[in-house]
Amino acid sequence: DAGVTQSPTHLIKTRGQQVTLRCSPKSGHDTVSWYQQALGQGPQFIFQYYEEEERQRGNFPDRFSGHQFPNYSSELNVNALLLGDSALYLCASSYWEGNHGYTFGSGTRLTVV
Amino acid sequence: KQEVTQIPAALSVPEGENLVLNCSFTDSAIYNLQWFRQDPGKGLTSLLLIQSSQREQTSGRLNASLDKSSGRSTLYIAASQPGDSATYLCAVNSGYSTLTFGKGTMLLVSP
Repeated sequence: DAGVTQSPTHLIKTRGQQVTLRCSPKSGHDTVSWYQQALGQGPQFIFQYYEEEERQRGNFPDRFSGHQFPNYSSELNVNALLLGDSALYLCASSYWEGNHGYTFGSGTRLTVV
Repeated sequence: KQEVTQIPAALSVPEGENLVLNCSFTDSAIYNLQWFRQDPGKGLTSLLLIQSSQREQTSGRLNASLDKSSGRSTLYIAASQPGDSATYLCAVNSGYSTLTFGKGTMLLVSP
């Protein structure tokens, strides 16, 4: 039973560029959440998708956008990259109904230069 | 706004010691609390999930307790091993479909 899969594992981008990160949820999960983790900090919630709609959003600018596909996989897009966007981006999947906890992927390490 | 604090920020112990990691949260109206392990540069591995109606959960050498009324959880690790070295993160689900994390406790177990 595959867990949460994220791609790519590492990425280097230049300031001002755009990036797309991808996530496939754990089999059976229908909800995908994205988190940003800066070095030495706990993960910060970006947004959550269920039924292809953004359901919750954290305190992140509109440069951060996402999408969920009919197969529950998801993308995180970041436009106009800043140096401060350099972080580990984590995808988590869960069931929308009930409180079953979250399963996280291995993350995508984004470096903006 | 939920805030989660983890103490200590770092801990270094010799192999074999029993240890306790602490997590406190400001809003006791939670659905559940989850403990994760994170190896350097890696993703999060779920260790234990405690529902708000539960007092504790156990998995092998790990035991997590929850005192919702006082806003506290502890993670107890018995007979620590070098392979336990990692950062341990506490995350609270306050019912808005999001997790609020502490900054973690960095644990080093020396042989």
